[in-house]
Amino acid sequence: NAGVTQTPKFQVLKTGQSMTLQCAQDMNHEYMSWYRQDPGMGLRLIHYSVGAGITDQGEVPNGYNVSRSTTEDFPLRLLSAAPSQTSVYFCASSYSRTAYEQYFGPGTRLTVT
Amino acid sequence: DAKTTQPPSMDCAEGRAANLPCNHSTISGNEYVYWYRQIHSQGPQYIIHGLKNNETNEMASLIITEDRKSSTLILPHATLRDTAVYYCIVRVSATTDSWGKLQFGAGTQVVVTP
Repeated sequence: NAGVTQTPKFQVLKTGQSMTLQCAQDMNHEYMSWYRQDPGMGLRLIHYSVGAGITDQGEVPNGYNVSRSTTEDFPLRLLSAAPSQTSVYFCASSYSRTAYEQYFGPGTRLTVT
Repeated sequence: DAKTTQPPSMDCAEGRAANLPCNHSTISGNEYVYWYRQIHSQGPQYIIHGLKNNETNEMASLIITEDRKSSTLILPHATLRDTAVYYCIVRVSATTDSWGKLQFGAGTQVVVTP
């Protein structure tokens, strides 16, 4: 299994541009989520999904959209990038809402200028 | 979810046990204690979790005090590869709607030295 994969690994955007961060898992996990990590801080939850077609907001959802059309994929969309969205983004998954262990991807480092 | 307090940093000699403390004095009866770690530039990695009994797995041991207001993660024989930020997280039980959410704090930067 490849586990949780994220693309791209690095991205530079100009203010106002939009883009999609990709996340995929091949473990047939129901639960997927997106976090952002800013320098010197812990991870903050952006959005999460408990299954295909079901998404919900985390603690910092503004400026981001998600959708879950398949079990495997959970893309994160930046609608109009802002410098405040410069961060490292991590995707995570677990086999169900009640699973104890979450598996994290390697991250996408995003810079907005 | 209850908040946690961890020291910002600690050093450990290679081969020795590393004892990482965590305070969670406002923990509720249905909240679990989780530990994750994050090696530089990588995604977090699950280590262990517990409710009230001590737990051990191939990576570490978790000691939870009887009143559950604090816990200690023990890495029995630290190696250089254990250098990472360690996060102590308190999380509600699986019976609530907020299950799945992990709230990360700043963690403890552990540096293992030769």
